Formats: sequence, C-alpha cells, structure tokens
Amino acid sequence: SYELTQPPSVSVSPRQTATITCSGDKLGDKYACWYQQKPGQSPVLVIYQDNKRPSGIPERFSGSNSGNTATLTISGTQAMDEADYYCQVWDSSAIVVFGGGTKLTVL
Amino acid sequence: EVQLFESGGGLVQPGGSLRLSCAASGFMFSNYAMSWVRQAPGKGLEWLSTIRGSGNSTYYADSVKGRFTISRDNSKNMLYLQMNSLRAEDTAVYYCAKDPRAGIVVTNWYFDLWGRGTLVTVSS
Repeated sequence: SYELTQPPSVSVSPRQTATITCSGDKLGDKYACWYQQKPGQSPVLVIYQDNKRPSGIPERFSGSNSGNTATLTISGTQAMDEADYYCQVWDSSAIVVFGGGTKLTVL
Repeated sequence: EVQLFESGGGLVQPGGSLRLSCAASGFMFSNYAMSWVRQAPGKGLEWLSTIRGSGNSTYYADSVKGRFTISRDNSKNMLYLQMNSLRAEDTAVYYCAKDPRAGIVVTNWYFDLWGRGTLVTVSS
C-alpha cells in the first residue's frame, strides 16, 4: 500500500516561513493536497492539486510537488496558523492516503 | 449554507453495530462523491470509504472492507455508514466529507467540505 511520511513536528517563529514536507514514492506523479486542522475542529482544505488555493485561504499558503516530495509553505506565518497539517493523495489502487500529520508550532 | 452534519455516534460494545448518518445541505448532493474519514483520539486522519454521486460505485479501505458499508439516499440528501463487527480500534471521530468536483469523478479525490464529526466509542 502507498504511504506518505510527514515530520511529526515543525516549529517556526512568527512572520517567518514554515515548510512542511510530505514524502512518498514518486509523489510528484500524483496530485497532493493539504489540510489544516486546529484542536477540536474539522480539517480544512488549504491546498489542492499540488499548488491551488481554495477560495478564502490566505495567499501565504502555497504548495509544490516534485520527485518524491510535496511541500506546504506558509510565508509570514501567523499565530493563527498553529495547527496540525495533513497531506493527502489519491492512489491508483483507488484509495485515499493521508500522511501522518505535522504539528506546526508558532513560537 | 453549504454544510454536512453527522449523527449516530455513541457507545457500542465490541462486536456490535452502528449506523452513522450525514445530512447534506446547500448543494446538489447527488452530483458529488462523498466519503467517510475517521480520526482516532490523538491520531491522524484515516480514509474509510467513498461513494460516487450516483451511488453505483463504492470504495473501501482494507481496514474496514467487509465490515463497513457506505450508502446514500440522494432523494433525502443523506449519506450513511453501516458499521458491523466493531472493534476497540474503531473508536474515533467519524467525519463525512465531500469531493469538490461535480459529475463522475473517478480519480484524485480530495475534500473541500467536512462535517463536524460524530464520536464512536467501542468499549465494553
């Protein structure tokens, strides 16, 4: 089965750039998306199809996907961005795969 | 308002059954693939199942195949998850979620709308 690997935690200072990675075999050949989940809340889609932002998602959120790694970048990180972030792909065996999640701490 | 609302969670004994429901509103329900995703306490997201808009195709994670059944009633804008032979490891918050693309979407599912979730606890 297909697996996605994320770092358990990432720390960033306010106003700096946060980078969260998601690794998988030939991940760049698939479309990756990212969800933000704050404590006690449902996940929110922040990036889809590698680098597209849904309506209402701030421009500071961006994504890329190449080789074996997809990356979520948050520029000018704000305290409100502190959350868990999950990458997700669709695998050709017709399943949806989530990464294990990364806890972003804004110090 | 576009929204999803899950219900039906609760405490069930190991080996028992439970049926979750998800009420959809604010969009043409029958046009969209719908899914169930769960999250065990303190853990990550786990996809369980997807059903196409017409209801004629369903897909399952290996962890629930043969035990869980996804279905929908487009006349009522309702999504369901019948869960049988429940185990302690099925304890989780269960979310229903919508794919954002209308029509027959066979690949690259992802989710632009999530419900608030309903908690299922499997314990004796």
